[in-house]
Amino acid sequence: QVQLKESGPGLVQPSQTLSLTCTVSGLSLTSNSVSWIRQPPGKGLEWMGVIWSNGGTDYNSAIKSRLSISRDTSKSQVFLKMNSLQTEDTAMYFCARNVYNNYYFDYWGQGVMVTVSS
Amino acid sequence: DIQMTQSPASLSASLGETVTIECRASEDIYSNLAWYQQKPGNSPQLLIYDANSLADGVPSRFSGSGSGTQYSLKINSLQSEDVASYFCQQYNNYPYTFGAGTKLELK
Repeated sequence: QVQLKESGPGLVQPSQTLSLTCTVSGLSLTSNSVSWIRQPPGKGLEWMGVIWSNGGTDYNSAIKSRLSISRDTSKSQVFLKMNSLQTEDTAMYFCARNVYNNYYFDYWGQGVMVTVSS
Repeated sequence: DIQMTQSPASLSASLGETVTIECRASEDIYSNLAWYQQKPGNSPQLLIYDANSLADGVPSRFSGSGSGTQYSLKINSLQSEDVASYFCQQYNNYPYTFGAGTKLELK
């Protein structure tokens, strides 16, 4: 059974760095790709970036300069790091599996709410 | 970036009714479109991919259609469990972009 679960701090101060972990089970990161997607409260979804099954990454150009996605295949974990956080980065952050290394998503984590505030 | 414009933003319908949600892309996305359902407090669930292919386990009352820049999601015989927000997503070009969503409520 495929599962993804996000974890990380619920509160981050402005200008600080956000670090999130997505722990997956029921799938191998060497044959599956995982994206990060966020959703500000009451708003729509924004695709942030992907780590492909071969370890390569692609990022949304709007946040590329602040974002890094990496993984530890032995621990079945995908990591997100985003620096210079501002209040507009307050959102629910999801990790999701890219279907067969495609560009849409069939399994999603429950999400982790991150609030940027002093 | 490709802009995805969804309409309507909200919709109220009765049980058993047929509902249609539209999504317009700012350029041709060659049917590289998915639809998701998101119930309050939950993560999105894939309904449709490649504009008209039903995802595994999705009831057949859901269907997708369209081409070029115009796409639609149709729900036949609306059920109470269909109350949710619905989002379209294009995956023809980076960055993948979503519509703003349609909130479906029961009348």
